[in-house]
Amino acid sequence: DIQLTQSPSFLSASVGDRVTITCRASQGISNYLAWHQQKPGKAPKVLIYAASTLQSGVPSRFSGSGSGTEFTLTISSLQPEDFATYYCQQLSSYPSMCTFGQGTKLEIK
Amino acid sequence: QLQLHESGPGLVKSSETLSLTCTVSGDSITSSAYHWGWIRQPPGKGLEWIGNVYYSGTTHDNPSLKSRVTVSLDTSKNQFSLKLSSVTAADTAMYYCARQGPVTTYWGQGILVTVSS
Repeated sequence: DIQLTQSPSFLSASVGDRVTITCRASQGISNYLAWHQQKPGKAPKVLIYAASTLQSGVPSRFSGSGSGTEFTLTISSLQPEDFATYYCQQLSSYPSMCTFGQGTKLEIK
Repeated sequence: QLQLHESGPGLVKSSETLSLTCTVSGDSITSSAYHWGWIRQPPGKGLEWIGNVYYSGTTHDNPSLKSRVTVSLDTSKNQFSLKLSSVTAADTAMYYCARQGPVTTYWGQGILVTVSS
């Protein structure tokens, strides 16, 4: 099975900071990667799919890049509403399997 | 606008079968473009994919759940369901239904299921 490893697991940052979260796959997955944001008590929602395509309605301060085994999610200027947990998800095994990274919790410094 | 809504008992006894239903509006579960699936999240932990079903009835499930999973469709009600047998306290989680596509996932709001001894 394909494993995803996110780093860091915890990130403390300030409003206005630029932050980057990394997701590494145990084998190549082309661009079959999505990023989800989850706020406390809420369901996740997709931010980015196909590694770099912004979901409709998601602010342009979010961006994704990467292919193969290494991917990044970047928030260019943190806003108060961005403090949440972020998960990467691989879909190269769709529909027979999908896996998630362990999550990155982004907290206010 | 697509909406998915989970329903079912919030409390299940250990060793029994957990049964949940997802009602879909804004799309048809007979669409050939997507699979309809379940994902869960134990309290304070990460996300685990459970399984999915296609409009044809073909299913896939996570091997880690050791064949305890059944996902099925009810096309007359535009619903799909999850059954998880022989539950233990480790199955206590928020359960999300989802529309799964080849590049992305659309989530329901989730339902908390607690397994009691």
